[in-house]
Amino acid sequence: GNSVTQMEGPVTLSEEAFLTINCTYTATGYPSLFWYVQYPGEGLQLLLKATKADDKGSNKGFEATYRKETTSFHLEKGSVQVSDSAVYFCACTEGNDMRFGAGTRLTVKP
Amino acid sequence: DSGVTQTPKHLITATGQRVTLRCSPRSGDLSVYWYQQSLDQGLQFLIQYYNGEERAKGNILERFSAQQFPDLHSELNLSSLELGDSALYFCASSGIHNTGELFFGEGSRLTVL
Repeated sequence: GNSVTQMEGPVTLSEEAFLTINCTYTATGYPSLFWYVQYPGEGLQLLLKATKADDKGSNKGFEATYRKETTSFHLEKGSVQVSDSAVYFCACTEGNDMRFGAGTRLTVKP
Repeated sequence: DSGVTQTPKHLITATGQRVTLRCSPRSGDLSVYWYQQSLDQGLQFLIQYYNGEERAKGNILERFSAQQFPDLHSELNLSSLELGDSALYFCASSGIHNTGELFFGEGSRLTVL
């Protein structure tokens, strides 16, 4: 089955800093890739997705590009805000089940 | 609001007991997924149902079982509870058109004392 490995946290940044959270996947075919975000006290919600190689998903200033050659889907944001503090999960689906990475906790300080 | 409802939000019980967690998916969604989120193991996929049938199984213990009913709500049964079962249990649903996006409930926090 598929699996996802993402950068361990926690990550602490100052406001307006550049963010990268690394994610790599293992799959037998052509999975779809996702980033989900979990704000404190809430369930996960979709942040962005990409369904084929070289696709770029983007939302709320976050971006990630589906790189088949490196089996990666790194999350980036050019200038983080305090409100971006949350746990970020990379996920991969191929077929019927979706597998998540361990999550990376991001804290942004003013 | 994702449209996915989970009850109860919090549950405290003792070792050896049995509990049932309930999930109502978004209106029209046929797939229900269960995940366990613990501090040391991240988000673990337990099981998926599609229109009443088990579709995929992950790291679900034999002490745990689930089912999806004709009205599409789902229940996760946890028995012979151990301290290590303390976690946040999430239900998610997805629609007929498989875009891959899951819609998560707010979770049920189980504490086993």
